[in-house]
Order: sequence, then C-alpha cells, then structure tokens
Amino acid sequence: EAQVTQNPRYLITVTGKKLTVTCSQNMNHEYMSWYRQDPGLGLRQIYYSMNVEVTDKGDVPEGYKVSRKEKRNFPLILESPSPNPTSLYFCASSFGHNSYEQYFGPGTRLTVT
Amino acid sequence: GNSVTQMEGPVTLSEEAFLTINCTYTATGYPSLFWYVQYPGEGLQLLLKATKADDKGSNKGFEATYRKETTSFHLEKGSVQVSDSAVYFCALSALFGNQFYFGTGTSLTVIP
Repeated sequence: EAQVTQNPRYLITVTGKKLTVTCSQNMNHEYMSWYRQDPGLGLRQIYYSMNVEVTDKGDVPEGYKVSRKEKRNFPLILESPSPNPTSLYFCASSFGHNSYEQYFGPGTRLTVT
Repeated sequence: GNSVTQMEGPVTLSEEAFLTINCTYTATGYPSLFWYVQYPGEGLQLLLKATKADDKGSNKGFEATYRKETTSFHLEKGSVQVSDSAVYFCALSALFGNQFYFGTGTSLTVIP
C-alpha cells in the first residue's frame, strides 16, 4: 500500500530536549516536506527536500533540522531551544513540486511542557 | 510574496445545502491551485486541483475553477452530505520556487 508513515504519533516532552520524528514513504517520491499545523495559522512549511542530499528552508525553519540521506526517509529533528514547538506535525511527499499531488502522513502531535 | 487567503469558519450547513468556501491567492506567475480535505484525526488528502487559468477541478461532487482575473479558486458543492464534514484547505504551489502555501483551513460541519 502506498503510504507515508510517521513516528511517533504522539509525543510529550520537556523544553530543551532534542528529539527526532521519523518520516518514510514507499512511493519513490523525490519531493518530501515537513509542515506544522497550528490553530488559526493553517499549515506552514518547515523544510522541504527536492531529492537526496538536497534540502531547503520553508517559512518556519527556526529550531528545526532535517536530513535526506536516503530517498525514502526524511527525519525532522527538533533542537533546543525551539520556539513554541507544541504543534501537530505532518510529513508529505510527492513526485515533484508544481502541479503534483502531495501525500500526507497521519501526523505527529507534539506537546512540550 | 506567495500566500493563500480562505474563508474563515467554522461553517455549519444542513444536509443537501449548497456549499461555497472562498479562496483567493497572491502569487508571482501562474501557480497550480489545490483543495485538500482533512477528516478528523487524519492527514490531508487531495480533493481536486487546477494547473492553469480557467481550468476546473472536480471530484466527489466538489468543483473549483481557477480564475486568474480575480485570483480565486472557490470550492463549491451543490448538495453536501454529513460525510463531507471535515476541514478544507486551499493551497498553491508557486511557479517560481519550490514551496507549497496553504490557507488557514475552513471547518465544515454538516448536520442531518
């Protein structure tokens, strides 16, 4: 089954702790992306990757890092300090940019206390 | 810059009512335009798209027409069902650059 998987689905952590959210796709997509969803703000792009070893910042990259060492995986690393990281995070993938449909993972709800 | 503005919600309709969710955009050049739907507890999924001016995207009874003159991509459905209750996002991918831009989402509840 074609899908995007994310782990963990739920995460509670404390301020200052570095953590990683994994994302994997099995569709051989070249483009992958991370978004955060916040009430009243919709989805905002954090980072994206056009292909292996090619990553770039989206609109809200502060406090995050990514890497793309393999085509199928695109982990999101939340570093310390991260401004206001409590949010719902989505990974997505597509064959490319422009007119291509993005396939979204189920989301990771992160709460930072 | 690039941005999407969509109608604020929440929207509550009775079953079989007509639905319109407004979406306008700002972009350099001619972007591709999308509507995504998010059901409770799930990720987003593509509902429809249009890639050039005057194109009409359609799926599951929903329609939206890419209007360059008014920079709009309004979502419509003639008769909504309870199963259409979800959050709807308008989005664009700009011609220049490699990013996607989403609106704030409009929550729709359809009551029997």
